[in-house]
Amino acid sequence: KQEVTQIPAALSVPEGENLVLNCSFTDSAIYNLQWFRQDPGKGLTSLLLIQSSQREQTSGRLNASLDKSSGRSTLYIAASQPGDSATYLCAVRPGANSKLTFGKGITLSVRP
Amino acid sequence: ETGVTQSPTHLIKTRGQQVTLRCSSQSGHNTVSWYQQALGQGPQFIFQYYREEENGRGNFPPRFSGLQFPNYSSELNVNALELDDSALYLCASSLGAGGYNEQFFGPGTRLTVL
Repeated sequence: KQEVTQIPAALSVPEGENLVLNCSFTDSAIYNLQWFRQDPGKGLTSLLLIQSSQREQTSGRLNASLDKSSGRSTLYIAASQPGDSATYLCAVRPGANSKLTFGKGITLSVRP
Repeated sequence: ETGVTQSPTHLIKTRGQQVTLRCSSQSGHNTVSWYQQALGQGPQFIFQYYREEENGRGNFPPRFSGLQFPNYSSELNVNALELDDSALYLCASSLGAGGYNEQFFGPGTRLTVL
């Protein structure tokens, strides 16, 4: 059974800091991995999707990497801003259908 | 292009009641998935519909049921509500049911069961 872990559960950093959010998964046989952002009480916004054949994806200040063999992904946020404060969720797609298996998320707080 | 929409935004029910939640998929998407997100947890997969047929189900009891309509919109029905059903219910649509298709999520429906 695929399990996704995100540690720590919460993180607080000063504005301007570069930071890395970690995600680990137990079964390396995945189709892809997706990073989402969730604001309190809101739905999920897709940030980056990495297919199993890819090693990384970039969008603006965000860069996500994927190492299937070690069961790890990282989300790098450059020059963090208070507006980046949210919960960041990692999800993997373990099989041929579209079901996503999520971690519990990392709640990020960026202090002005 | 219209994104994924869900209704209602919030809902309060009592134990034993029944509830119907609605989802309109993103334009052109034929696959809808439903997730339940309890407070402080990641979303849990409930089921998926592809071209009006159930195409995968998570570990949820039969009192959770769904429908997909010819226009690919979808409903989630929950019977005999329990306190633990209180959660944010998320709908996601995708272009196809295959593993490579990116899912796009709606804003969710917050269900409170008293």
